Amino acid sequence: DAGVIQSPRHEVTEMGQEVTLRCKPISGHDYLFWYRQTMMRGLELLIYFNNNVPIDDSGMPEDRFSAKMPNASFSTLKIQPSEPRDSAVYFCASTMQGGNQPQHFGDGTRLSIL
Amino acid sequence: GDSVTQMEGPVTLSEEAFLTINCTYTATGYPSLFWYVQYPGEGLQLLLKATKADDKGSNKGFEATYRKETTSFHLEKGSVQVSDSAVYFCALTYNQGGKLIFGQGTELSVKP
Repeated sequence: DAGVIQSPRHEVTEMGQEVTLRCKPISGHDYLFWYRQTMMRGLELLIYFNNNVPIDDSGMPEDRFSAKMPNASFSTLKIQPSEPRDSAVYFCASTMQGGNQPQHFGDGTRLSIL
Repeated sequence: GDSVTQMEGPVTLSEEAFLTINCTYTATGYPSLFWYVQYPGEGLQLLLKATKADDKGSNKGFEATYRKETTSFHLEKGSVQVSDSAVYFCALTYNQGGKLIFGQGTELSVKP
């Protein structure tokens, strides 16, 4: 079975540019999570969706960040405008309803904002 | 609020040494507990889990026992290998839908 697929794997862009990260969850999973990982702050939950509806976005750092899930097989995390402090590894994960189910993580997008 | 605390890293061991990574939690209910592992350049992978008190999760030689009385879920392995070098995360959930609360991660480095 295909796992969670993220693209791109690496992104380098200049400050002020718009950045779009993409995620395809595992088929049949109805929860999707976006995380950010940095050395300073560790692993942070940004937002998560259930059945394509955002449930908790309290971890989204600022209005510059937005996330969408237009259908069950695709989600985006957008940063506009980007800043150097947004440099991090961004992970997407998915799981299924039922409690106690593990999350399955993608390999992440390593984002560098110059 | 709910939280997970792990021992500080990095932990450096020689090959075949015994490993313990401590994890304690604070939770208002009765959570399920997980250990995830992150190898360099990769996402997190589930290593093992336990869903109720006194359960023991095990996988790839790693074990952890859910101790409600001490609110702990320590990770152990009898003989580590160089390939076990990674970052290990303890986590809990008890909400439907699997929102996880992670510890800060503990880096393990195993030397030949």
